[in-house]
Amino acid sequence: AQKITQTQPGMFVQEKEAVTLDCTYDTSDQSYGLFWYKQPSSGEMIFLIYQGSYDEQNATEGRYSLNFQKARKSANLVISASQLGDSAMYFCAMREGPGTYKYIFGTGTRLKVLA
Amino acid sequence: DVKVTQSSRYLVKRTGEKVFLECVQDMDHENMFWYRQDPGLGLRLIYFSYDVKMKEKGDIPEGYSVSREKKERFSLILESASTNQTSMYLCASSRWQGAETQYFGPGTRLLVL
Repeated sequence: AQKITQTQPGMFVQEKEAVTLDCTYDTSDQSYGLFWYKQPSSGEMIFLIYQGSYDEQNATEGRYSLNFQKARKSANLVISASQLGDSAMYFCAMREGPGTYKYIFGTGTRLKVLA
Repeated sequence: DVKVTQSSRYLVKRTGEKVFLECVQDMDHENMFWYRQDPGLGLRLIYFSYDVKMKEKGDIPEGYSVSREKKERFSLILESASTNQTSMYLCASSRWQGAETQYFGPGTRLLVL
């Protein structure tokens, strides 16, 4: 069954340093999409980055990059040069296949950036 | 910019009341979704809709119903609120095609007393 696993319930990182948030997934589909969202304390889910299963290059969006290792079924989020405003919950999500509406979410990782 | 709005940020209701949560998106998205979010459980899908008047049950539809009379609006209804429906409710929308990134509203924190 499709599943997203985030094994780090909480993490700390020093301001200006890089941090990696782990995400592994399980699917039998060949076509799928992987997403990362940020949820600040205000509650809104903010889309950060997307990686398609057929994309050969890792996705990047500003300070966010997705370390996609298809054989290992991992899609880790890397945040470079952490800022205090990066403190939030981070969710990894997956959508299977072009004809599926459903998205599967992990349980999230709470990141705290230290000054 | 994609904009998804929800009718209330905070809501307090009593057990047995009928509760309406409304969601509106302004990007002409075909798909709309309702989730609830509880600590340690992540997001769980309640219902989704892929077109006007069309709906599909998600993982936890019991105790909920939905309505989509117009493309931009998707309502979640708690027919008779119970204390175990105290939660954060998130609405999202996405296009039918392409990367189908979901865009979320600000969420409604519902407390049922």
